[in-house]
Amino acid sequence: NAGVTQTPKFRVLKTGQSMTLLCAQDMNHEYMYWYRQDPGMGLRLIHYSVGEGTTAKGEVPDGYNVSRLKKQNFLLGLESAAPSQTSVYFCASSEMQGYTFGSGTRLTVV
Amino acid sequence: KNEVEQSPQNLTAQEGEFITINCSYSVGISALHWLQQHPGGGIVSLFMLSSGKKKHGRLIATINIQEKHSSLHITASHPRDSAVYICAVMGADGLTFGKGTHLIIQP
Repeated sequence: NAGVTQTPKFRVLKTGQSMTLLCAQDMNHEYMYWYRQDPGMGLRLIHYSVGEGTTAKGEVPDGYNVSRLKKQNFLLGLESAAPSQTSVYFCASSEMQGYTFGSGTRLTVV
Repeated sequence: KNEVEQSPQNLTAQEGEFITINCSYSVGISALHWLQQHPGGGIVSLFMLSSGKKKHGRLIATINIQEKHSSLHITASHPRDSAVYICAVMGADGLTFGKGTHLIIQP
């Protein structure tokens, strides 16, 4: 089915470890986003991309890096995970018609 | 930064009831989204609207641009409607999300 696919769905990391979350979309959307969702808060934008080869910082970018080497993929990296990065991460893509979200990645940093 | 407020935060109702969830925002926008998130699940876009009213099945969304207010209505509510409903507004700095309304429909 067309849409946004996130991998992995779940992950437990130890403090200081690194990992990469992958987001893939097959709708040829230009815009892609990474959000985090924490209890009692609305989704917050980490980084976004307006096209292949471009990235920009969102509201809460510290501790994260991103890359958009191919139009269909948007990668979110944690170089040195911290407990404060325990969250549910959502990727989304958009065009004029609206947004499509992935199913989320639940990350726990211990 | 736009401030997005949703009410109520939590709502429990009986099957068949008419449900209204409200969203207000502080700064003018180009569009407003209503999203649905089931427990432990992903986020699904229900509506995107910039004026007037949209209907899809038992769901109706309205927006009043002058009053900076939108409502999501569910007619003939059903237990499968139990979810978190999120309002998000599109402004100059992208989407700003409300904290969500947690809806439980009891059989």
